[in-house]
Amino acid sequence: DAGVIQSPRHEVTEMGQEVTLRCKPISGHNSLFWYRQTMMRGLELLIYFNNNVPIDDSGMPEDRFSAKMPNASFSTLKIQPSEPRDSAVYFCASRSGTSGSGELFFGEGSRLTVL
Amino acid sequence: GQSLEQPSEVTAVEGAIVQINCTYQTSGFYGLSWYQQHDGGAPTFLSYNALDGLEETGRFSSFLSRSDSYGYLLLQELQMKDSASYFCEDYGNNRLAFGKGNQVVVIP
Repeated sequence: DAGVIQSPRHEVTEMGQEVTLRCKPISGHNSLFWYRQTMMRGLELLIYFNNNVPIDDSGMPEDRFSAKMPNASFSTLKIQPSEPRDSAVYFCASRSGTSGSGELFFGEGSRLTVL
Repeated sequence: GQSLEQPSEVTAVEGAIVQINCTYQTSGFYGLSWYQQHDGGAPTFLSYNALDGLEETGRFSSFLSRSDSYGYLLLQELQMKDSASYFCEDYGNNRLAFGKGNQVVVIP
């Protein structure tokens, strides 16, 4: 398996623009997570899905952020409108519900810069 | 709510031993996982403890005490490549440690 795949790897955009980050989890994994990482705040959980259903979105900073998982193999994280403070690395991770260790597999991240 | 608390940074020489602690206050706790993240990279899984006691995986060991809501990661025979950030995760609540985790800097 290719692992968790995220795109784009890097994005630079201007304030006010819409940003869409994409994630393809590992096949067979039924949980998907979106994290944001900054120097100031560290690694934060934004939202996670079980079987394509959002379970906990309490980490989503505000209404400008939204996430969807239309099927088991694809998820998006959208920021509209984007602001400079959204600049961060966004990680997607997936996990199998049958894993005893609950190992999370992370993608390589999407580095977002909002000017 | 829950919180996972870790000290911020440790510097140690090659060959040394470093212990990284993690305390948690949470309900719905299943077990404690540990992840390593090198600068610019993605976090990767190191180990998991569901039961009290020590789990050993090569140079790294992880310990859990449920009664104390406490765990630690032990890095032995430190190597330069062990310079990274280390996060604990409360598996059951799907939240990695808040903040920056614990950064380990290995020096010659």
